[in-house]
Amino acid sequence: QQQVKQSPQSLIVQKGGISIINCAYENTAFDYFPWYQQFPGKGPALLIAIRPDVSEKKEGRFTISFNKSAKQFSLHIMDSQPGDSATYFCAASMPIRGSTLGRLYFGRGTQLTVWP
Amino acid sequence: GAVVSQHPSRVICKSGTSVKIECRSLDFQATTMFWYRQFPKKSLMLMATSNEGSKATYEQGVEKDKFLINHASLTLSTLTVTSAHPEDSSFYICSARDSLAGYNEQFFGPGTRLTVL
Repeated sequence: QQQVKQSPQSLIVQKGGISIINCAYENTAFDYFPWYQQFPGKGPALLIAIRPDVSEKKEGRFTISFNKSAKQFSLHIMDSQPGDSATYFCAASMPIRGSTLGRLYFGRGTQLTVWP
Repeated sequence: GAVVSQHPSRVICKSGTSVKIECRSLDFQATTMFWYRQFPKKSLMLMATSNEGSKATYEQGVEKDKFLINHASLTLSTLTVTSAHPEDSSFYICSARDSLAGYNEQFFGPGTRLTVL
């Protein structure tokens, strides 16, 4: 069972536009929601992360919006650039305690293409 | 930011041989490291969780005798693919959790491309 559902699977955006990727989860025990960016042949890189006590977090052109009641969170990339073309993964994890060692549950990924 | 290295980045081996992949956290201590496998255009599939000084915890369906994991220090975990076969060809990625971080910040290595002939 997919713990984190991500959409869309692929996204094509014009340069300068806004890219929006959505994720949804069911497990209310999740308390940490990171986004990773992955280029072909490379490992994922941590882009931005949010905790459920805030509704929005912004870092440069990247913003996470978090809706705790709806159990949804999304990544917004403002002024999208061709260099942003990559695969983006959302993830979620539970508090680290006892035998819960911080496993990340990943979405299936979104392949973003930004046209110049 | 925190850096995780993997070695080798690419390896080609003959069927039946064993291959060792190293994962190192370069500027932080990692009590816990994770090993993933990724198929083309797919998400990351967790293989096992590695804890320093103890046995790894394997995900269901992952053969622990085939994928040997050793986490001997706070900065090094190794994955050994034993008696490799062509179906083991894949992209293997490790991640390391910063032991001192308040939340579950994990940093990934650059990955190792394994090709078994």
